[in-house]
Amino acid sequence: AQRVTQPEKLLSVFKGAPVELKCNYSYSGSPELFWYVQYSRQRLQLLLRHISRESIKGFTADLNKGETSFHLKKPFAQEEDSAMYYCALAGFNKFYFGSGTKLNVKP
Amino acid sequence: DTEVTQTPKHLVMGMTNKKSLKCEQHMGHRAMYWYKQKAKKPPELMFVYSYEKLSINESVPSRFSPECPNSSLLNLHLHALQPEDSALYLCASSQVGTANTGELFFGEGSRLTVL
Repeated sequence: AQRVTQPEKLLSVFKGAPVELKCNYSYSGSPELFWYVQYSRQRLQLLLRHISRESIKGFTADLNKGETSFHLKKPFAQEEDSAMYYCALAGFNKFYFGSGTKLNVKP
Repeated sequence: DTEVTQTPKHLVMGMTNKKSLKCEQHMGHRAMYWYKQKAKKPPELMFVYSYEKLSINESVPSRFSPECPNSSLLNLHLHALQPEDSALYLCASSQVGTANTGELFFGEGSRLTVL
């Protein structure tokens, strides 16, 4: 069965500290994985996708098939990074969202 | 235009009412989606339309009736809802066949309250 797990509901860090939001998945085929972000009072939007291997707003995520993980990382968190982050897995024309992690970056 | 527009933003209805949620996009996307999001929960897929045909129904109760009248519009007709149906209803669109690798564009949602 397809499943996305985000073990942390809330992650609080200080500005300038490194941040890692965890995501693990289970999927029977080759997964396509994404991170979506929802800032306060804004719509859900794509942050990055694993196939493009890009860095957006300083965030990166590497797909580790051995550990079935797709953790989101940023070396120096900023206050404007405070938001809700969802890991998502795409397959069979569906997106499966994880339960989300609220990132709170304190000044 | 890279937006998905949803109306109304807020809707309050009684359990005997009939109402509709509307969604519109002009990005040429031929896949459109309805998601339901409860407070502090992730979006849950309800329906997927591909080329204006219903391709996925995630066992949604029949009191929710989707409709895709053309490639730009997606409706969700509501009838005899229950208070537990109160939630944020999100519409999204994408290119067909690229849901696995592409991007979902979300609307801001319609916040529904059932009394």
